[in-house]
Amino acid sequence: ETGVTQTPRHLVMGMTNKKSLKCEQHLGHNAMYWYKQSAKKPLELMFVYNFKEQTENNSVPSRFSPECPNSSHLFLHLHTLQPEDSALYLCASSAGGSYTGELFFGEGSRLTVL
Amino acid sequence: QKEVEQNSGPLSVPEGAIASLNCTYSDRGSQSFFWYRQYSGKSPELIMFIYSNGDKEDGRFTAQLNKASQYVSLLIRDSQPSDSATYLCAVKAVQGAQKLVFGQGTRLTINP
Repeated sequence: ETGVTQTPRHLVMGMTNKKSLKCEQHLGHNAMYWYKQSAKKPLELMFVYNFKEQTENNSVPSRFSPECPNSSHLFLHLHTLQPEDSALYLCASSAGGSYTGELFFGEGSRLTVL
Repeated sequence: QKEVEQNSGPLSVPEGAIASLNCTYSDRGSQSFFWYRQYSGKSPELIMFIYSNGDKEDGRFTAQLNKASQYVSLLIRDSQPSDSATYLCAVKAVQGAQKLVFGQGTRLTINP
């Protein structure tokens, strides 16, 4: 496996369900990110983790709960979502240390909330 | 005012011509500027970055930065149908901050 992999690629869930998105990076990076991409809106940063520690929470509702057990894995736990949360959720990683702005994205998890 | 603004397009350019993509940003403290390309149904990938005023060339791509005008552009010479994609402008605002602010992207179509 190379790069950044995300599972599942597609997810349909009801508003009362609990599900999780998984991201794994094989690049040896130390920073991982969750971004949300909605139609006709810019990419929105949700969370940043550096060396497993959360360093940014961009005012994300608590129904989204991130988890970073190590520098290679990142999860986004979802519960009681709303239909407006339907979007493409992108995981990304970058090298640690001096942040250059070069992000490596996974293919995304397309979420539909019914 | 949006932090990073791009014309959403679509921008249609004939094959072989120069495609010009533009981006403006609101934060004068912005340090670094990036262009990501996103093919339909795929994730964004970095194609260019620029830190200093002026031009930076990489193959058929040229990034141009004017900090005084808060303007960054991407030129694609000899446009190919494979260049058809959405181009995202991203700005890194504060030294050391791990936050890129993205524009909404410009959809580019190269017509054979």
